[in-house]
Amino acid sequence: GAVVSQHPSRVICKSGTSVKIECRSLDFQATTMFWYRQFPKQSLMLMATSNEGSKATYEQGVEKDKFLINHASLTLSTLTVTSAHPEDSSFYICSARDALGAYNEQFFGPGTRLTVL
Amino acid sequence: AQSVAQPEDQVNVAEGNPLTVKCTYSVSGNPYLFWYVQYPNRGLQFLLKYITGDNLVKGSYGFEAEFNKSQTSFHLKKPSALVSDSALYFCAVRGRNAGNMLTFGGGTRLMVKP
Repeated sequence: GAVVSQHPSRVICKSGTSVKIECRSLDFQATTMFWYRQFPKQSLMLMATSNEGSKATYEQGVEKDKFLINHASLTLSTLTVTSAHPEDSSFYICSARDALGAYNEQFFGPGTRLTVL
Repeated sequence: AQSVAQPEDQVNVAEGNPLTVKCTYSVSGNPYLFWYVQYPNRGLQFLLKYITGDNLVKGSYGFEAEFNKSQTSFHLKKPSALVSDSALYFCAVRGRNAGNMLTFGGGTRLMVKP
């Protein structure tokens, strides 16, 4: 089946530093990838949609200069949290849409736990 | 706009008893419907989906869900709950246009007690 990986699975950083999270579709091409944020005991909140080779589309209220998204290839999207602050601590989950799949199904990565000290 | 409602924040059930996790949705046209499970500090794991055809969908780990168009529901069920089923469950819906996004419900925590 389709597999999506995320790296790192867990990261701890100091306030003011930048953190990059990678999302890879391992066995399919993903023209579209999605980045979600999840707070404890809450549902997933869509942050942005990235399309390969073009700028990401951010949901309302998400700062594009803070959460930089790059989707440079059909199998890789990156989310960079710039100048991280403790309130950015969260669980970040990526998802990739199989462009060649019958139903454009989305497959989810295992998530990245970000803790900003 | 599409939406998903999971009316119960938590469902408690004894091991061996049947379980139901409720989900209702709103979408334009016919839906694609999904159930995912999430264990602590883990990403979403796919359980099952309804695309077309038989309204009763069977998925992983003995779970099943029934698509009810008239009631716009897609409740998740399992005949006999296991303690290891304890987790957070999310229902999601997507419209059939290629660009439609997946919309999640708020999640339901299932607690199965021995």
